[in-house]
Amino acid sequence: DIVMTQSPDSLAVSLGERATINCKSTQSLLNNSNNKNYLAWYQQKSGQPPRLLIYWASIRDSGVPDRFSGSGSGTDFTLTISSLQAEDVAVYYCQQYYSPLGYTFGQGTKLEI
Amino acid sequence: QVQLVESGGGAVQPGRSLRLSCAASGFTFSSYDMHWVRQAPGKGLEWVAVISYDGSKRYYAASVKGRFTISRDDSKNTLYLQMNSLRPEDTAVYYCAKDSGYDANEPGVSDYWGQGTLVTVSS
Repeated sequence: DIVMTQSPDSLAVSLGERATINCKSTQSLLNNSNNKNYLAWYQQKSGQPPRLLIYWASIRDSGVPDRFSGSGSGTDFTLTISSLQAEDVAVYYCQQYYSPLGYTFGQGTKLEI
Repeated sequence: QVQLVESGGGAVQPGRSLRLSCAASGFTFSSYDMHWVRQAPGKGLEWVAVISYDGSKRYYAASVKGRFTISRDDSKNTLYLQMNSLRPEDTAVYYCAKDSGYDANEPGVSDYWGQGTLVTVSS
């Protein structure tokens, strides 16, 4: 199984500042045939289901503010919130979808103000 | 708009069975792969299973393989999860999620989620 590890487990950032969350996989998520990284980021606010933010490691889903960006390739990925807003308080998860035998999530990173 | 409504959760004793349902609307259900994802109380997300749009592919997490079965009824726009031999560690909110379809070849990310249904396994 592919294991996803996020860092840090929790993070406190001031309003307007940059937040950075990392995600590392135990094997490469890059498909060399299409040059795509099978990595997604989700946001989960308290009491709500997750929301898809980023797929293919760097593509924002529809309606996601452009302060959210994803980067990385292979085994190391980053979610960046360029200017933190109060509504961004949530738990963030990365997920690999490289292997349909197990679409594993990271353990989550709790983001606070 | 896309709506996913889970039902069938509740309290059950270890070793017993439960079937979850997910009623879908607002999109062409038969054209999309569908997922189940669970979240134990206060814990992170755990992907459980996926079924392809035509039912030809079904994949399961190792933790539920052989005990859980994912299925779909396109005539009813409904996704199911049959859970047998339930264990206390299966206690979680179970989410139904629509696959985005961004990957044409295999199931991938989930772009719409239901509100979830709670399953509690305890004696």
